[in-house]
Amino acid sequence: LAKTTQPISMDSYEGQEVNITCSHNNIATNDYITWYQQFPSQGPRFIIQGYKTKVTNEVASLFIPADRKSSTLSLPRVSLSDTAVYYCLVGLYSSASKIIFGSGTRLSIRP
Amino acid sequence: SAVISQKPSRDICQRGTSLTIQCQVDSQVTMMFWYRQQPGQSLTLIATANQGSEATYESGFVIDKFPISRPNLTFSTLTVSNMSPEDSSIYLCSARDPVGDTEAFFGQGTRLTVV
Repeated sequence: LAKTTQPISMDSYEGQEVNITCSHNNIATNDYITWYQQFPSQGPRFIIQGYKTKVTNEVASLFIPADRKSSTLSLPRVSLSDTAVYYCLVGLYSSASKIIFGSGTRLSIRP
Repeated sequence: SAVISQKPSRDICQRGTSLTIQCQVDSQVTMMFWYRQQPGQSLTLIATANQGSEATYESGFVIDKFPISRPNLTFSTLTVSNMSPEDSSIYLCSARDPVGDTEAFFGQGTRLTVV
């Protein structure tokens, strides 16, 4: 499983765009990049997944450069409710694969 | 998607006793997992619960301490045996949908305090 590195914490303000970058230098050809969000006292929740280029959904965008050695989760116009821990995961697409969590990024949004 | 229910949501237990945590999924799923999360820390995978066979444990976790059952495709239990204060943590159940989506779903967790 590829190791990921992401900032331990980030701060931002309401209405700003927040970009969280994750490094995964040893990503394998068949690996996908997935981000999860965890609010206090809740289990993690899937946000977005991608293989290359750009993926966008109603919650976030995921930017992946051509070499795939990093990825950036972009949260547009954050609100206080986006305060959470964000985990970057790299692994096989297969549903038979276990999921190993890294340290995550603790995002704090201020008014 | 899958909805996961865990019971109990929290408990305070005496050292030396055991607690069994139940995990119920509202649909059949191929894979079920158990995680532990210390306060302010990331999730650590304890084991993969295999339907009809013994669970697969990660390094540092053993069956005698964390026996797991998976009698069918929607239910699993994790027992924390002979508890000590070091076992105080949040225990989370997770499942992966077998069809289409590959995202994992998580229960709300069981907050265990051992005194």
